[in-house]
Amino acid sequence: KAGVTQTPRYLIKTRGQQVTLSCSPISGHRSVSWYQQTPGQGLQFLFEYFSETQRNKGNFPGRFSGRQFSNSRSEMNVSTLELGDSALYLCASSFGQTQGSYEQYFGPGTRLTVT
Amino acid sequence: DQQVKQNSPSLSVQEGRISILNCDYTNSMFDYFLWYKKYPAEGPTFLISISSIKDKNEDGRFTVFLNKSAKHLSLHIVPSQPGDSAVYFCAASVSNTGNQFYFGTGTSLTVIP
Repeated sequence: KAGVTQTPRYLIKTRGQQVTLSCSPISGHRSVSWYQQTPGQGLQFLFEYFSETQRNKGNFPGRFSGRQFSNSRSEMNVSTLELGDSALYLCASSFGQTQGSYEQYFGPGTRLTVT
Repeated sequence: DQQVKQNSPSLSVQEGRISILNCDYTNSMFDYFLWYKKYPAEGPTFLISISSIKDKNEDGRFTVFLNKSAKHLSLHIVPSQPGDSAVYFCAASVSNTGNQFYFGTGTSLTVIP
């Protein structure tokens, strides 16, 4: 079974620009979560999508948004990029049900550098 | 506010010995826990999970122990192998809210041959 894929793997953007990252979950998984990893903060939860609906949201500004498509693929968007947005963005997919937590499987991440 | 804490940033263990990685949490509502291993430039790899209805779960060389009263969990790796050298993260969630996991800051394990 193919794992979680993320595109692109590396990205360099300028302050003020916007960026869209993509995540394809494991086949059959309906839940997709996004995390930001920085050296000082570890993995910070951004949001979770389940069946095309945002089910959970972390403590990030509104510049960070996402969506999920009917095939469970997900995108996250960051608008008006700031230098502090430079990080590894990780997507995790999970079997997911209406309720309950399940083990998550991570993609390789997208390394975003904002200059 | 860090709800999940891994207070040891690093740990070194001899090959063949036991590695014990610790994790503490503050939110008593957490009832589902995961451990991950991460190599540089890769996403975290799922290792083992435990639900709060159990106090122990084993999978091969990996065993996770949960002490709910102390809000503490630990991952035991026996025997430790050089390939186990990586950063280990614990994560916790409130299961009836879905898959919002809170991660610790990680412990870097080095297994010395």
